[in-house]
Parts: sequence; C-alpha cells; structure tokens
Amino acid sequence: LAKTTQPISMDSYEGQEVNITCSHNNIATNDYITWYQQFPSQGPRFIIQGYKTKVTNEVASLFIPADRKSSTLSLPRVSLSDTAVYYCLVGERNAGNMLTFGGGTRLMVKP
Amino acid sequence: GAVVSQHPSWVICKSGTSVKIECRSLDFQATTMFWYRQFPKQSLMLMATSNEGSKATYEQGVEKDKFLINHASLTLSTLTVTSAHPEDSSFYICSAPRTGLTGELFFGEGSRLTVL
Repeated sequence: LAKTTQPISMDSYEGQEVNITCSHNNIATNDYITWYQQFPSQGPRFIIQGYKTKVTNEVASLFIPADRKSSTLSLPRVSLSDTAVYYCLVGERNAGNMLTFGGGTRLMVKP
Repeated sequence: GAVVSQHPSWVICKSGTSVKIECRSLDFQATTMFWYRQFPKQSLMLMATSNEGSKATYEQGVEKDKFLINHASLTLSTLTVTSAHPEDSSFYICSAPRTGLTGELFFGEGSRLTVL
C-alpha cells in the first residue's frame, strides 16, 4: 500500500487560499488519490478524488503532477468553518483498497 | 443528509460491561462495512472489515473476541465491545463504500465510548 506523508499542521487566515500537499512516492499505476475532511467528534467526509492533472469541484481543487508522487489539495478563500483535519488516501478504486489513513494535516483558520 | 448512521453517538459504561454500537447504511445496501477507532488527536485506525453473511476480517493486533462484529443484514453492522475497560475508551467510526467503482467511503457520525 502506498504510504502518504502530509504536514502535521497548517495555519491560515480567513479569505486566503490554502494548499495542502501530500507525498505518495510509491503510488501504483492503478491508484487514485482521495481527500477527506474531518471535524472534531465527527466521521470524515469525502472532499475530492483524482488520478492525474487537475480535478475541481464546488469545494476544492486537486492538483496532481505528471509523476503522481504527490498531490495538492487547494481550498479557495477559506473560512473559519474550514478548520479541520484533512487526510489524503491512496489506493485502487474498489471497496477495501483505500482504507488506510495517514496522520492528516490539522488546518487552523484564524479570523 | 447522512448516508451512514451510527447509534449511539456517545455512551458511558462501567468497566467490565459490554457495549454495542450499530452502523446502518441508509437508502443503500452495503455488503461490506469498515470499523475504525480513533484516539484523541490521532488518526483513524482500521480495526476490521465487516462482511455481510460471513465472519469479519480483523486487522493485526485487534482482538476479535474483544471486538465482536456482526453484519446481520445488508444495511446493518454492529460492533460490540466486550468486557470494556478504560483503555477501550475511544471514538469508534464505521464506514461503508459508495456503490460503484469509486473507492469513496461514507462515514458514520462516530460513537464516543467512555469506560469508567
């Protein structure tokens, strides 16, 4: 299983763009990259998933370089409610193959 | 709205008692569900895979006799913490995979267990 490495924590201010990078040097050809958000005392929530290049949805963008050894989750104009822990997972896209959570990145958004 | 629901959201019990946590998939069937445990300020740790109609698969280091898992129907999995001790106090979270080839997991709200 591809191991992921993320910064332990990040601070930002309201209105700024936040970029959280995840390293996955051993990513396999069939692996996808998925990001989750977790608020305190809640289960994680799916944010975005991608395989290569760029993916965008209503809440975030995911940038994946050609070598796919890393990925960057971009949150535009964060607000206080974006304060959470963000996890990236790597694995094949079928049940039972993308289950391992790394340490995650604790994002603190300040006013 | 939530597609995976857990109950209870929190429970306090005395040491030595057993506690059951339910995980339900709403409006979809889940032949497989996953149980995680999360200690304060730590990441989620996969405990076991719950399989409908068959035995659960436990991760290394997780005692199957301690954490009983039953997946009695396509929408319900239960985790029973038997003879609970204070060190079992934790946040337990279940999840079910989204239908189709996506790899996405729907997570329940979590159940906080405190053992006195």
